[in-house]
Amino acid sequence: DAGVTQSPTHLIKTRGQQVTLRCSPKSGHDTVSWYQQALGQGPQFIFQYYEEEERQRGNFPDRFSGHQFPNYSSELNVNALLLGDSALYLCASSYLGTWTFGSGTRLTVV
Amino acid sequence: QKEVEQDPGPLSVPEGAIVSLNCTYSNSAFQYFMWYRQYSRKGPELLMYTYSSGNKEDGRFTAQVDKSSKYISLFIRDSQPSDSATYLCAMTQGGGTSYGKLTFGQGTILTVHP
Repeated sequence: DAGVTQSPTHLIKTRGQQVTLRCSPKSGHDTVSWYQQALGQGPQFIFQYYEEEERQRGNFPDRFSGHQFPNYSSELNVNALLLGDSALYLCASSYLGTWTFGSGTRLTVV
Repeated sequence: QKEVEQDPGPLSVPEGAIVSLNCTYSNSAFQYFMWYRQYSRKGPELLMYTYSSGNKEDGRFTAQVDKSSKYISLFIRDSQPSDSATYLCAMTQGGGTSYGKLTFGQGTILTVHP
């Protein structure tokens, strides 16, 4: 049974550009959350999606947006990239239980 | 002040040692407590999940929660080199772990040397 799948694994973007990260949840999971993990820090909650709606949002600017599709997969979009957006972006999925994390997408903004 | 405080270490111990990892928190609304292990270039992996105050044991791992002191611990017995990783405490408010955000500590880097 595949776990949480994230793509791409790594990418490099230039300041001001836009990026889209993708997540396929674990089979049977209907809730997806996104986290940002800066180097040497714990993950920080960005937002959570359930039934294609944003259910909760952390302290992140509107440049961060997301979407959940009918098959429960999800996208994270970041506009107007800043150097400080460089981090590991983690997707986690759940269904009435504990959260399973993907291996993340490492974003470098130059 | 951060809601969850965790000593980042690094912590280096010899194989076979007992390891103690700790977190304190300030938000009394936290009800569910977790410990995750994160290997380099990987996502966090759930090790332990507890709700009530007290101890919970799973193999070489014991999780301890003291809600009155807002303090949680993870003990690793007979530590192995394969336990070398970053350990993250995480907690969430009511509604079960499926709902709401997880608030993480900074993570403690652990190295177990042979």
